[in-house]
Amino acid sequence: EIVLTQSPATLSLSPGERATLSCRASQSVSISLAWYQQKPGQAPRLLIYDASNRATGIPARFSGSGSGTDFTLTISSLEPEDFAVYYCQQRTNWLTFGGGTKVEIK
Amino acid sequence: QVQLQESGPGLVKPSQTLSLTCTVSGGSISSGGSYWSWIRQQPGKGLEWIGYIHHSGNTYYNTSLKSLVTISMDTSKNQYSLRLRSVTAADTAVYFCARLSGDSFDFWGQGTLVTVSS
Repeated sequence: EIVLTQSPATLSLSPGERATLSCRASQSVSISLAWYQQKPGQAPRLLIYDASNRATGIPARFSGSGSGTDFTLTISSLEPEDFAVYYCQQRTNWLTFGGGTKVEIK
Repeated sequence: QVQLQESGPGLVKPSQTLSLTCTVSGGSISSGGSYWSWIRQQPGKGLEWIGYIHHSGNTYYNTSLKSLVTISMDTSKNQYSLRLRSVTAADTAVYFCARLSGDSFDFWGQGTLVTVSS
């Protein structure tokens, strides 16, 4: 099983700041990595698939990069609605999720 | 636009079987290359993939739950279902159904809370 480790666990930032979230895989997943946003009481929402492709309707301030074992989700300028928990997910070897990064208001 | 909706009992007794159904609208579960999935989230925790079923009927399960889980589909109703046997308090969670397209989940149900308690 591939383990996905997300860091940091919590990111405290102000609106307008840049957020950089990391996801590291225990072995290569090529580009088979997705990112999701989850707000309290809601289902996760797909943001990024195949490491760097924005899903339908996702604003351009969200971008994904990386391949192999190291991946990054960047939010270029945080909007109030972006404060949430973010998860990465792979499907190269079965299917696993990372533990999540909470982006909170500083 | 594909929509998914979970349904089933919100309370299950320990050692019994948890049964949930996902009703899909806006698309057929018997066509295309999608995998119809179940994912759960224990209170305050992260996401755990349970398993999925392909339109061919092939199923794939998380190895940690494989011996207790069955996912099936009813194409006539455009529904698929989850059965989790011998539940314990650790199975208390919000259960989501979702469509896996390619390697990511693009459509999700709203989730349903299932509590295991006597």
